[in-house]
Amino acid sequence: DADVTQTPRNRITKTGKRIMLECSQTKGHDRMYWYRQDPGLGLRLIYYSFDVKDINKGEISDGYSVSRQAQAKFSLSLESAIPNQTALYFCATSDHRGSEGTQYFGPGTRLLVL
Amino acid sequence: GIQVEQSPPDLILQEGANSTLRCNFSDSVNNLQWFHQNPWGQLINLFYIPSGTKQNGRLSATTVATERYSLLYISSSQTTDSGVYFCAVDYDMRFGAGTRLTVKP
Repeated sequence: DADVTQTPRNRITKTGKRIMLECSQTKGHDRMYWYRQDPGLGLRLIYYSFDVKDINKGEISDGYSVSRQAQAKFSLSLESAIPNQTALYFCATSDHRGSEGTQYFGPGTRLLVL
Repeated sequence: GIQVEQSPPDLILQEGANSTLRCNFSDSVNNLQWFHQNPWGQLINLFYIPSGTKQNGRLSATTVATERYSLLYISSSQTTDSGVYFCAVDYDMRFGAGTRLTVKP
């Protein structure tokens, strides 16, 4: 089984709809992240969480919100989707209790906003 | 925020060739990672290397933190090395735009 899972893997929605992307991990890591990737570009950080009670904005948080329901679960919400939020979304985890902060990524969610 | 530049943007190699990818960053960093995104979109961490040199099989990486750059070396390239290579820096993970590598058989 995959260590970092994302649901759904693909989603088509309409402008103005609220949607939620979910991420779960079985790695026991303390930190979780949400990124978006636009075609031909690198990833940009949306939000990150260092533990259940800690949420931080990333480079592009406007239009998004997150919830860290448990150490293993981190969800991303688009309150009112717009077409320029069409992108590939990745969740990632890392463990900073050890000596390194290597990030491990989920398989991604392709979102299309019409 | 920190600026991250990767070069070259595109690289085409014949199988068996060696290559060097570069990542420059505009300020001192505490975290630098290299990733490979395969043609199916999957992202795999290659190295966590804020300083020094590491090797893993045909891949190695060196970060010279005082001079604000990191290099990723790929030796004896294989077609499975194709994809996009990203570096990312610091606690808020600023990514470069990537180097797209194509290895031809």
